[in-house]
Formats: sequence, structure tokens, C-alpha cells
Amino acid sequence: GAVVSQHPSWVICKSGTSVKIECRSLDFQATTMFWYRQFPKQSLMLMATSNEGSKATYEQGVEKDKFLINHASLTLSTLTVTSAHPEDSSFYICSAREQRELGDTQYFGPGTRLTVL
Amino acid sequence: DAKTTQPPSMDCAEGRAANLPCNHSTISGNEYVYWYRQIHSQGPQYIIHGLKNNETNEMASLIITEDRKSSTLILPHATLRDTAVYYCIVRVAFRETSGSRLTFGEGTQLTVNP
Repeated sequence: GAVVSQHPSWVICKSGTSVKIECRSLDFQATTMFWYRQFPKQSLMLMATSNEGSKATYEQGVEKDKFLINHASLTLSTLTVTSAHPEDSSFYICSAREQRELGDTQYFGPGTRLTVL
Repeated sequence: DAKTTQPPSMDCAEGRAANLPCNHSTISGNEYVYWYRQIHSQGPQYIIHGLKNNETNEMASLIITEDRKSSTLILPHATLRDTAVYYCIVRVAFRETSGSRLTFGEGTQLTVNP
């Protein structure tokens, strides 16, 4: 199947700093990418949908000024957590859509564990 | 997108077939059934998807009932590495709705025992 990578796989930062997470589709072009967040013992929650070359669409309750998303190319999307606080500590997972003849599919990255001290 | 119902947990003996059920009684004619799994602390892994016909790939088989109101994911010979949370998701094809995306429920925690 298609491969999606994320970098870094984990990051520890101080409160108030910003953290950037990269998501790449390695062997296909993705016009649409998605960012999810997962807290311990919970399911994945969609944060935002990004389309290449346009602004991201955020889910209700997700602060767009705090979680900056850039989808500048067909293979790269970035999520920047600005002024991170301990409550932003979570597992962040990106996903990229691969267009197919029938039933497009989303492939997921391995996730980034963010810990804010 | 149609809502799905899955049992919260299941156990399976190593080497035996694991049959994971999913109910989606409100599924629409243009909605696909997708299965993903998430092994602890990893991103979800795509397994299989289908519309109305049964599907098989190297990982699993997907059996969809004729009325499409339920489906079963079959792992033919479960191994310890198949222990994961399995998610059944129903949604329209991406190309039909540009803003459409996968939303995850609670899934089924499958534990494969030695």
C-alpha cells in the first residue's frame, strides 16, 4: 500500500514554544491530507483537512491560530503547534488521500508523540 | 456518513480465524465499508474496503451482506501481531464529496492469544 511518513516521531518541548510536524506521502501525490489527534485510551479525532494550495478546514473546537497547517505541495503537509502547552501533549497523526479508480483510500503516517513540559 | 456498531472487544486463538463483525444498518447506496486497524502507539493501517461485493487481499477478507447492513472482516490465520484495535468505517467515496473524510468510532480491541 501507499506510504505516509511523519517527522519527527516524537518531540519534547517546553511550554510556550512552537513545534512543527511534517507529513509526507512517499509514493503518491495527495491533494488532500488530514490531521488527527489521539489522547490516551481514546479514538482518533479529526482536527483539520488540508487541500494542496488552499486553506485548511478545521473541525469545530480546533483553534486554527494555534494549529497552523500548510499544504504547499502534493506530497507535503505541515502542522505547527504554536505556543504549545501541556494540554497539547498528544499523539498527532497525519493521513493522505490516494485517489483510486473506485473508493479512494486514506493512508496514515506512524504518528508523532508530542510532550509539552 | 452512516454510523457503525462494533463489539468493544474480542479474543481469538493464535492460528485460528478472527471474524470481526460490524453493523451499519443505515448505510447508503454510495457508501463504502472501510476497515483499518491500529496497533498500540502506531498510526492506523489500512486493511481493506468494499462497496457491495466481497473483497479479499493479502491481509484479510471482507464479507458484506446482501442488504449491506452489516459486514465481517476475516483474518484467516490470526497471529499475535494482529492484536490491535480494528475500526469499521462507512463513508462515501472521496471523489463524490470533496470535504469527506474518515471519522473513527471506538472500534473493536482484538486480542490474539497464544
